[in-house]
Amino acid sequence: AQKVTQAQTEISVVEKEDVTLDCVYETRDTTYYLFWYKQPPSGELVFLIRRNSFDEQNEISGRYSWNFQKSTSSFNFTITASQVVDSAVYFCALSEAHFGNEKLTFGTGTRLTIIP
Amino acid sequence: GAVVSQHPSWVICKSGTSVKIECRSLDFQATTMFWYRQFPKQSLMLMATSNEGSKATYEQGVEKDKFLINHASLTLSTLTVTSAHPEDSSFYICSARGSLGEANYGYTFGSGTRLTVV
Repeated sequence: AQKVTQAQTEISVVEKEDVTLDCVYETRDTTYYLFWYKQPPSGELVFLIRRNSFDEQNEISGRYSWNFQKSTSSFNFTITASQVVDSAVYFCALSEAHFGNEKLTFGTGTRLTIIP
Repeated sequence: GAVVSQHPSWVICKSGTSVKIECRSLDFQATTMFWYRQFPKQSLMLMATSNEGSKATYEQGVEKDKFLINHASLTLSTLTVTSAHPEDSSFYICSARGSLGEANYGYTFGSGTRLTVV
């Protein structure tokens, strides 16, 4: 069974500070995908990134960066120079890649508040 | 990019009535649809998975007779909450999956429906 753990329930930082959101996952599959989504107060889920299990390269997209480490089963997300618009709930999710069992399993989410 | 339209965005209904929520994939064929429920300040919990033309597969603990899912076409899936009660009040969100290569790598979410049962 797959599982995603986001130990940080809530984080508050002052604007312009960097913040890292942790994600630890469990899966028996060797092929899987990891995701991060942002959920603003309006409720819709905003896709941020997908990473497959064979690609451990870190990724940077503007102020966002992701660190994937298979050795520790972690896929952490860092926001650099945070802004108030970054305030939202962030979910890490996992899907296994084999046909017929591609459902997404979500972590419990981290509520991020950026203080102006 | 891939878009899923979910309606209504919010609904208030009386206890004992039924409510139907629709999800439409606008520019791709949704071979699989996932329905999630999210209680306030909690995570998204998968309720069921449906493939076009077949019966939905429900997760453990989800009452299939209460949450009716229909996925009769490749662009439309519906979730009907039958005989709704206040404890069914929640945020329901669908996710459509077609073939790989679409935006969001195959998982496109609707904007969600906030159901309040009074």
